[in-house]
Amino acid sequence: DADVTQTPRNRITKTGKRIMLECSQTKGHDRMYWYRQDPGLGLRLIYYSFDVKDINKGEISDGYSVSRQAQAKFSLSLESAIPNQTALYFCATSDPSGVGDTQYFGPGTRLTVL
Amino acid sequence: RKEVEQDPGPFNVPEGATVAFNCTYSNSASQSFFWYRQDCRKEPKLLMSVYSSGNEDGRFTAQLNRASQYISLLIRDSKLSDSATYLCVVNVGSQGNLIFGKGTKLSVKP
Repeated sequence: DADVTQTPRNRITKTGKRIMLECSQTKGHDRMYWYRQDPGLGLRLIYYSFDVKDINKGEISDGYSVSRQAQAKFSLSLESAIPNQTALYFCATSDPSGVGDTQYFGPGTRLTVL
Repeated sequence: RKEVEQDPGPFNVPEGATVAFNCTYSNSASQSFFWYRQDCRKEPKLLMSVYSSGNEDGRFTAQLNRASQYISLLIRDSKLSDSATYLCVVNVGSQGNLIFGKGTKLSVKP
């Protein structure tokens, strides 16, 4: 079984809808991250969490919110989706005691907002 | 100046070729450095960390020049399976946040 899982893997939604992307991990890592990837723009950090009580905004947090329900779960919400939020979304985890804080990514969620 | 810059490519090389990717970073306080590999429509995966002394893993060699704020990746004897996008990644501080380059696409042809 994969160490970092994301659901759904693909989602098509309409403008204005609320949508939640979920991430679960079995690696036992405290740190979790949400990124989006757009063609030509690379990976950009949306939010990150270093433990259950810690939530931090990343580079592009506007229009998104997150919830860290447990060490193993970190969900990303789009309160009112808009077409420019169409992207590939990745969740990642890391262990700061590991080598250089290596991040481990989930398989991604491909989101299309019509 | 962008924080992490890479030549986007694509690099189209024949099997067996040696290919080198370069990357520059702007934050002199950057603490750790990595190369990640991303296959089409897949998640990024760590290829190797980059150390000041340089490090090698099989056909892959990574180098770091802190003075010039420059990182490189050399792939020898390219295989078809090396075709992917290679991401240069920099950790800029104790927060553990990574800054990703946009990636360099490699296509190895028979």
